[in-house]
Amino acid sequence: DAGVIQSPRHEVTEMGQEVTLRCKPISGHNSLFWYRQTMMRGLELLIYFNNNVPIDDSGMPEDRFSAKMPNASFSTLKIQPSEPRDSAVYFCASSLSGGGTEAFFGQGTRLTVV
Amino acid sequence: ILNVEQSPQSLHVQEGDSTNFTCSFPSSNFYALHWYRWETAKSPEALFVMTLNGDEKKKGRISATLNTKEGYSYLYIKGSQPEDSATYLCALHTGTASKLTFGTGTRLQVTL
Repeated sequence: DAGVIQSPRHEVTEMGQEVTLRCKPISGHNSLFWYRQTMMRGLELLIYFNNNVPIDDSGMPEDRFSAKMPNASFSTLKIQPSEPRDSAVYFCASSLSGGGTEAFFGQGTRLTVV
Repeated sequence: ILNVEQSPQSLHVQEGDSTNFTCSFPSSNFYALHWYRWETAKSPEALFVMTLNGDEKKKGRISATLNTKEGYSYLYIKGSQPEDSATYLCALHTGTASKLTFGTGTRLQVTL
């Protein structure tokens, strides 16, 4: 397996534009996490899915952020409209459900909103 | 909000020194405690996953212990090397629905 795959690796967009980040988890993993890396909070959990169902989205900053997982092999994180303060690295991770297994991270998407 | 706290925030040691850092977490609803190593410009990679009180795990010069009753875990590095320089993250797994919450990490720098 190629691991968790995120795209794009880098995204530069103008304020107000819609941004979509994509993630392909490891095949067979049934938990998927979206994190945002910030200087102040480190790795901040935005939302996680279990068996394609959103379990906890309390970390999503505001209504401009939304995430979907239409099937077991694909998830998106959308920001609409984007703002400069959304600039960060966004990581996707997947694992087998149950706390005894590690999470595997994608390479991250570096988002810059100008 | 789950408070997973790590200390110190950063650490600077000389090659050959041994060092340790702490992860504190609420002990209620505990499921597992993870340690990750995060090198600059890379993704976090798992070191250990611990589930039992009193658990101790080892990988080369790095080891970790777990106390679920009092809510803490220690990570030890023996004989630090420059390649150990990274941010070390702990993460708390709560409940059976797999929520994984990270601490802010301890940034370790090892110099010659």
